[in-house]
Amino acid sequence: QKEVEQNSGPLSVPEGAIASLNCTYSDRGSQSFFWYRQYSGKSPELIMSIYSNGDKEDGRFTAQLNKASQYVSLLIRDSQPSDSATYLCAVNENAGNMLTFGGGTRLMVKP
Amino acid sequence: EAQVTQNPRYLITVTGKKLTVTCSQNMNHEYMSWYRQDPGLGLRQIYYSMNVEVTDKGDVPEGYKVSRKEKRNFPLILESPSPNQTSLYFCASSLSNTEAFFGQGTRLTVV
Repeated sequence: QKEVEQNSGPLSVPEGAIASLNCTYSDRGSQSFFWYRQYSGKSPELIMSIYSNGDKEDGRFTAQLNKASQYVSLLIRDSQPSDSATYLCAVNENAGNMLTFGGGTRLMVKP
Repeated sequence: EAQVTQNPRYLITVTGKKLTVTCSQNMNHEYMSWYRQDPGLGLRQIYYSMNVEVTDKGDVPEGYKVSRKEKRNFPLILESPSPNQTSLYFCASSLSNTEAFFGQGTRLTVV
């Protein structure tokens, strides 16, 4: 059984701080990694995708992947109240399309 | 506009009355999936399809059916709904192992 684990939170950070979200996965064959943001009652929307070890930056967001340790993280710099949402980590192996999601981490950014 | 469209958005039905939730995508994606989302349990995959006439079970397929007669459509069928199928349902599509794009969601209540 493939597993993707996230701390459910809530993770509370003050406005302007860096929010750090973490995710571990069990399947060493995983090739693709995604971070989605989901507001309550809405559909998940893609924030970042990462496919190789290291960091990938996009605006205020940085995804970090370490395949040897089987974790992927998301950093949000200069956190804003509008970043308050649930962040879902998703992992995909190369064959097929079994996108496995973690349970999500709820982030609260306080003004 | 590239999108995944689900219908209906909200549905209240009675136990045992067959229903279909439709899903359509206009991005020519091979892969389509259905997920359900429940509090504390995250997103769980019900069924997925890698192409026309190719479908397979996800993590929680019991009580559901799907079909993929055309590339753009992937309906979810509940032959005899029960209250434990009350949930928020999402359809998603993607190319191979790239990111998934989600529909707006269908909130189903079975009484």
